Parts: sequence; structure tokens; C-alpha cells
Amino acid sequence: QKEVEQDPGPLSVPEGAIVSLNCTYSNSAFQYFMWYRQYSRKGPELLMYTYSSGNKEDGRFTAQVDKSSKYISLFIRDSQPSDSATYLCAMSGAQKLVFGQGTRLTINP
Amino acid sequence: NAGVTQTPKFQVLKTGQSMTLQCAQDMNHEYMSWYRQDPGMGLRLIHYSVGAGITDQGEVPNGYNVSRSTTEDFPLRLLSAAPSQTSVYFCASSSTGPVGQPQHFGDGTRLSIL
Repeated sequence: QKEVEQDPGPLSVPEGAIVSLNCTYSNSAFQYFMWYRQYSRKGPELLMYTYSSGNKEDGRFTAQVDKSSKYISLFIRDSQPSDSATYLCAMSGAQKLVFGQGTRLTINP
Repeated sequence: NAGVTQTPKFQVLKTGQSMTLQCAQDMNHEYMSWYRQDPGMGLRLIHYSVGAGITDQGEVPNGYNVSRSTTEDFPLRLLSAAPSQTSVYFCASSSTGPVGQPQHFGDGTRLSIL
């Protein structure tokens, strides 16, 4: 069983929709939770960063962490075609950094 | 502001050939790492370094060597290329380590082994 599980998709939604991306994990030592966005033929870039449980909002993006359920989410409101990318969750703790497989997202105009 | 620079962007090798993937960062980061990204497998750690002169193995180190003679550079060497090493390789850096620090990635080297 992988330490971090992420549905690879692909996920296709119309412009303006609310997008929900999710990851589950098994390692209780993880304390830092991140979402990276990766455009085609580019490297991942940090999108959201949270520590421990709770919500964090940045513009149209909201990251949620539920440590009791070992579940993290990224919500994108008013999705735009420019949000089309692969989104990778990542988590770290106990000297480890583990990435999810990534979810390929397409926003259709 | 270059960040993390990887060269070359693309490379095709024949089985058994050797080559070096270059990685340089200009942020004075101590921690540098190499990942490979394969469909369905996500990012897997190959080797990492916590500072000049210090390197260690990651999850999938076989067939790869690294060295870190300066803070800026962290080259990855393929000793004898195999088709299983066909992948996209990413170099990353952060100020102190993998925990609690955002990783800065280069744009990758796409490597095909024939």
C-alpha cells in the first residue's frame, strides 16, 4: 500500500465549476501538507502549503487537512482554462517527503 | 532569477551509454534532490544531498550516481543506460531539507533509452 494515494484522473470540468482534488495517506508522522501544480513539460511549482489540520485559503484556492481521517483536499473555485494542469499532493514529516501520483485536470471553456 | 536550471532538456541514448544530467541552483540552498517521474508512479526520489560533500540514496538509487562538490551544482550520472531508465528527471532544491520546506523544481530532462 502506498503511503499517499491520489486518484490520477483524468478529470475534466467546464469553466466556472468548483473542482475538488483529494489525497489520502497512511503515515501519522506527516505534519506538512502541500499541493503542487505542474503544467505540461514543466516542473512542479508550489501552490498551497499547510501545517497540521485546518483550512487555508488563497484566492480561488482552498486547501483542507483532516488529520483524524488522514485526508487532504484542494478546492478550486470559479475554475479557469489556465487551471488545466496536473496537481500533485505532497506531505512531509519524520525526515520524509512523499508525493501523490498527481491528478490531471482539464478545464473546458 | 534563474532558480533551478536543468540541462539538457531532452536526450536520447542507446542502451549501455553513459551520461550526466546537470542541475544548478542560484538560491544558496543546502538541500538538493533528484526525482524521476513515470506515468502512474508519481515522483520517486533517486538521490539527495544535504550540503556540499554529502549525498545519500533515495527510494530508487540503482543505476545512478551523484556528487556534490559545490552548493550550486548537483549532477546525476547514469553509468550504463537501460531502457527502464527512460523517464522524466527533475532536480529540486530547498533551503534546509525535505520536511516543512517548499521544494523548488527545475523544468526537467526528458530521457529516452533505446
